[in-house]
Amino acid sequence: QVQLEQSGAEVKKPGASVKVSCKTSGYTFIDYAIHWVRQAPGQRLEWMGWINAGNGITKYSQKFEGRVTITRDSSASTAYMALSSLRSEDTAVYYCARVYDYWGQGTLVTVSS
Amino acid sequence: DIVMTQTPLSSPVTLGQPASISCRSSQSLVHSDGNTYLSWLQQRPGQPPRLLIYKISKRFSGVPDRFSGSGAGTDFTLKISRVEAEDVGIYYCLQATQFPLTFGGGTKVEIK
Repeated sequence: QVQLEQSGAEVKKPGASVKVSCKTSGYTFIDYAIHWVRQAPGQRLEWMGWINAGNGITKYSQKFEGRVTITRDSSASTAYMALSSLRSEDTAVYYCARVYDYWGQGTLVTVSS
Repeated sequence: DIVMTQTPLSSPVTLGQPASISCRSSQSLVHSDGNTYLSWLQQRPGQPPRLLIYKISKRFSGVPDRFSGSGAGTDFTLKISRVEAEDVGIYYCLQATQFPLTFGGGTKVEIK
């Protein structure tokens, strides 16, 4: 069965960076895109960006352009999302999703001094 | 960016009764390929979102047939024919016709 397993919760200081991993299984990794979506407390879901797992082409939300980098390691069937220059407003649960049909369990990133 | 507006914010429903959620987009969601990439997701408390419906009305694998989607252009509806206790949660519409993908604000379905 399709599964997306994300890395564990992170606590970061303002100005730091974070990298969240999303290990997939149960399907051919390069056949589907991986999206990254975040959910801040009490806020709606927010799309951050996308990677074509086959060719590595990415597309980012303009809101995060310059701060977010999505990569993948096809040999490990794993996608990554790195976010830099963290601020308190980046405190959220970060999800990876295969296209948007199967989702990871979420990774809580807390930004606090 | 396409703005997705959902109504109502909250929908208290009696078990076994129907529920309906509306989603309106700020512009047409018809893609140049002819498809309309409007989906509905369910998020139960403490869980990640789960895909229910894609391309307006196609039920995803394993989704009960009490869930149905309809609509066209800019106006879409998710209906639950008979609400069950496990349907409690927040429902989001999602447009994937145009980057950036955008979500509705969510509708909370709760039992009266």
